[in-house]
Amino acid sequence: GIQVEQSPPDLILQEGANSTLRCNFSDSVNNLQWFHQNPWGQLINLFYIPSGTKQNGRLSATTVATERYSLLYISSSQTTDSGVYFCAVGTDSGAGSYQLTFGKGTKLSVIP
Amino acid sequence: SQTIHQWPATLVQPVGSPLSLECTVEGTSNPNLYWYRQAAGRGLQLLFYSVGIGQISSEVPQNLSASRPQDRQFILSSKKLLLSDSGFYLCAWSVPQYNQPQHFGDGTRLSIL
Repeated sequence: GIQVEQSPPDLILQEGANSTLRCNFSDSVNNLQWFHQNPWGQLINLFYIPSGTKQNGRLSATTVATERYSLLYISSSQTTDSGVYFCAVGTDSGAGSYQLTFGKGTKLSVIP
Repeated sequence: SQTIHQWPATLVQPVGSPLSLECTVEGTSNPNLYWYRQAAGRGLQLLFYSVGIGQISSEVPQNLSASRPQDRQFILSSKKLLLSDSGFYLCAWSVPQYNQPQHFGDGTRLSIL
């Protein structure tokens, strides 16, 4: 099956710093999503980005599907950005559905 | 707008006991529905998905089963829980078209004693 690798696995930032998280995947995908899992376990949709670039406030993401990677940028980080960031890619499961394969995540800790 | 509900939020069960976790979606019709499990410190793994009532596909062999008795209801069950069934279970939905994002519920944290 498809492989999804995220880097770095752990990241510690001073509040106000910027960061880039990377997601590499091993095959063509129909879909790509970035999630933030907060300390309570909730998975928050950040971006649905099978290709191109999107921005939402201090966050932005870029997916280069032809080169099989995606980047998540966090600018001016805040303590509330702490948590685990997951990249998940969608592949066709047939029958009108697809499955998401998740990476292992990047654990981000933002310190005051 | 669409919402997804999961319950219970937390559950502690003895080994060998049965399990029933419920997920419902509001505000949409004929959604695709998914059950994922997250083991401690790891990413999510797809367990089951459904494209319609009574239609269940399993991604991994296991001690669990899923059912979809109504259009917007998805149930995860087990007849006898194992210690290895502990984890964080999340339900998700998407519109019934290709290349659409999945949206997750708040999850159920299951501990087996």
